[in-house]
Amino acid sequence: AQRVTQPEKLLSVFKGAPVELKCNYSYSGSPELFWYVQYSRQRLQLLLRHISRESIKGFTADLNKGETSFHLKKPFAQEEDSAMYYCALRGGSEKLVFGKGTKLTVNP
Amino acid sequence: NAGVTQTPKFHILKTGQSMTLQCAQDMNHGYLSWYRQDPGMGLRRIHYSVAAGITDKGEVPDGYNVSRSNTEDFPLRLESAAPSQTSVYFCASSTQGDICDYTFGSGTRLTVV
Repeated sequence: AQRVTQPEKLLSVFKGAPVELKCNYSYSGSPELFWYVQYSRQRLQLLLRHISRESIKGFTADLNKGETSFHLKKPFAQEEDSAMYYCALRGGSEKLVFGKGTKLTVNP
Repeated sequence: NAGVTQTPKFHILKTGQSMTLQCAQDMNHGYLSWYRQDPGMGLRRIHYSVAAGITDKGEVPDGYNVSRSNTEDFPLRLESAAPSQTSVYFCASSTQGDICDYTFGSGTRLTVV
């Protein structure tokens, strides 16, 4: 079974501080992992995917197969990073399984 | 602009009433799905379709029906609305193949009273 766990419902940091949003997954095969972001009352947008190994808006995420994790990191949080973040897993089909989300608040 | 269009953006429905949420995409995507977003529950897939004429149930299909008569449209119907169906509904589309990159609609905020 595919499962995505985001252990933190809420995460609050100060501007300029590092931020890490945790994501752990459960899947027996080779997964594709994604981070989606939803700014206030907007549609979900793809932030990044592990296969492209890119950095978007200063965020990076590394797939750790040993720890089955795909944590999202940014060294210096900005107020505009405040949003809901969803980790998602795709395993072997078009089905995308989402975690329950983490609400990030960056305080001034 | 190309993308996924959902209508309406907001709606209030009385218990027992029926309603259809519209979803249309103009990117020639084969795959369409409906999700509901609830606080603390994340996004849960309701129904999905891999091509015109083919639909299937997601995690939480009860109380919802879908149809896919063409590539572009994927309406979600609530036959007899219940307060538990108060939620924000998102339609998402993607191309089929190895990479699953969803494009989401802007959402429909539905309240059932």
